[in-house]
Amino acid sequence: DAGVIQSPRHEVTEMGQEVTLRCKPISGHDYLFWYRQTMMRGLELLIYFNNNVPIDDSGMPEDRFSAKMPNASFSTLKIQPSEPRDSAVYFCASSRQGRGAKNIQYFGAGTRLSVL
Amino acid sequence: GQQLNQSPQSMFIQEGEDVSMNCTSSSIFNTWLWYKQDPGEGPVLLIALYKAGELTSNGRLTAQFGITRKDSFLNISASIPSDVGIYFCAGLDGSSNTGKLIFGQGTTLQVKP
Repeated sequence: DAGVIQSPRHEVTEMGQEVTLRCKPISGHDYLFWYRQTMMRGLELLIYFNNNVPIDDSGMPEDRFSAKMPNASFSTLKIQPSEPRDSAVYFCASSRQGRGAKNIQYFGAGTRLSVL
Repeated sequence: GQQLNQSPQSMFIQEGEDVSMNCTSSSIFNTWLWYKQDPGEGPVLLIALYKAGELTSNGRLTAQFGITRKDSFLNISASIPSDVGIYFCAGLDGSSNTGKLIFGQGTTLQVKP
């Protein structure tokens, strides 16, 4: 299995621009998570999906952030408009839950976002 | 909400030394996971623990699920330079069945050759 795939690996943009981060979870996984990592706040859960449905978006910092999961193999995290304080590494993770599953989250390599 | 306290926050040790780090929680977890994050990469699972009292090894790494189900520790024996990175504990509250992990703040390990 190729693991969780995120793109792009690096994104540099100017303040006010729209940013879209992409994630392909591991095939067969029914949960997908978006995290943000900064030096100050560590690893923060932004939102997660179960069977493509958003379950908890309480970690999404503002209305400028939105996430979608149109199908089981693709999710996006969008920031519009972006601000310098959004600069961070964004991770996507997926897992398979339920009876017989090991409830382990597998992480992608992350997208390093810099907003100038 | 649920929180995990991970300690120490950072460690700077000599190659060959043993390392120990731990996590404590104010609530009970049914699963404890330990991850390692290398610079520029995402966290990678090291060890998963599913039963109170469980002791599991992965090479030079050993982790235990505390009897009270509110703590876990990770030991690294005979450290080597490639052990450098950030180590995270994470707990899963099985009773809520959300699949949501609670992460510790991380322990940054530096190894001096």
